[in-house]
Amino acid sequence: DAGVIQSPRHEVTEMGQEVTLRCKPISGHDYLFWYRQTMMRGLELLIYFNNNVPIDDSGMPEDRFSAKMPNASFSTLKIQPSEPRDSAVYFCASSPGREQRPQHFGDGTRLSIL
Amino acid sequence: AQTVTQSQPEMSVQEAETVTLSCTYDTSESNYYLFWYKQPPSRQMILVIRQEAYKQQNATENRFSVNFQKAAKSFSLKISDSQLGDTAMYFCAFMKPKGGGADGLTFGKGTHLIIQP
Repeated sequence: DAGVIQSPRHEVTEMGQEVTLRCKPISGHDYLFWYRQTMMRGLELLIYFNNNVPIDDSGMPEDRFSAKMPNASFSTLKIQPSEPRDSAVYFCASSPGREQRPQHFGDGTRLSIL
Repeated sequence: AQTVTQSQPEMSVQEAETVTLSCTYDTSESNYYLFWYKQPPSRQMILVIRQEAYKQQNATENRFSVNFQKAAKSFSLKISDSQLGDTAMYFCAFMKPKGGGADGLTFGKGTHLIIQP
């Protein structure tokens, strides 16, 4: 079975540009999570969706960040405008609806803002 | 808010030895889930083991086992017969169920485990 698929794997762009990260969750999973990993802050939850509806976006750093899930098989995390401090690895994860089921992670997108 | 603390930034052991990684957490909840994830240099996040707080029996997965002490809020990971492929960052994570469903994970800062040949 295919796992969580993220694209691109690496992204390098200049400050001020719009960045879009993409995620395809595992088929049948009701939950989708976006995490960010940095050396300073470690792994932190940005936002998550249940059945395509955003449930908790309290981890989104600021208005420059937005996330959408237009259907059960696709989500995007957008940064506009991007800043050097946004450089990080961004992970998408998905899990089935039952609370005890673990989250499965994608391979992450390494984002570098110059 | 929950917090997860991993007090060992780095550990190094010889191949075939047994190693224990520590994790403590702070919560007022009685029902929750704990996880250990492994992140090798490839940066994948791989689930190693999970524990449900209402289960007293410690979880085991082959060479990996946990020592779950609910009263002490401690959740350590033991790796037996360590192998070179166990070299990775290990993250302890906490999840409080929300309305019968999932919630986001709260992670510790991680322990970098190095297995020496």
